[in-house]
Amino acid sequence: GAVVSQHPSWVICKSGTSVKIECRSLDFQATTMFWYRQFPKQSLMLMATSNEGSKATYEQGVEKDKFLINHASLTLSTLTVTSAHPEDSSFYICSARDRSGTDTQYFGPGTRLTVL
Amino acid sequence: GQNIDQPTEMTATEGAIVQINCTYQTSGFNGLFWYQQHAGEAPTFLSYNVLDGLEEKGRFSSFLSRSKGYSYLLLKELQMKDSASYLCAVRDLSGAGSYQLTFGKGTKLSVIP
Repeated sequence: GAVVSQHPSWVICKSGTSVKIECRSLDFQATTMFWYRQFPKQSLMLMATSNEGSKATYEQGVEKDKFLINHASLTLSTLTVTSAHPEDSSFYICSARDRSGTDTQYFGPGTRLTVL
Repeated sequence: GQNIDQPTEMTATEGAIVQINCTYQTSGFNGLFWYQQHAGEAPTFLSYNVLDGLEEKGRFSSFLSRSKGYSYLLLKELQMKDSASYLCAVRDLSGAGSYQLTFGKGTKLSVIP
């Protein structure tokens, strides 16, 4: 099946620093990737849609200057949380769209971010 | 917009059968997905329905009725490892968010001995 990796799996950083999270589709090309955030005991919330070679589309209420997304290749999208603050601490999960077969989104394992 | 509704929690006994329901309202329906999410982990894909009827995959089956805006996930021969949240997600091709999935809040299933 389709495999999506995410790195790092967890990160602890100081307030004010920036953190980059990578999402890779390992065995398929993904022109579209998605970034979600999930707070404890809450549902997945879509942050943005990442399209290869073009600007990301952000959901309402998500600051594009704070959450920088780059989708430079068909297998890699990155999310950079700039000037992170404790309220940004969350579980960040990416997914990649596999257009073959059932055209399904497959999720990476997630990145747990803790901002001190 | 879309509205996806599923029960918050369910409890079932090991070896039994459990049915998790999902109702939805959407204007440009193009598929319903079920994902399993264990605590602290990312969702994993379970099933996909776009036409009415039952899709069976091992111990898991998923049913869809587009006219009723209704789906269910059926888990047979429950095992302790099936304790997880089960997310219903709808793909809607209308509007600007084409292809995006909208997720329900998930049903937390607890399997007891």
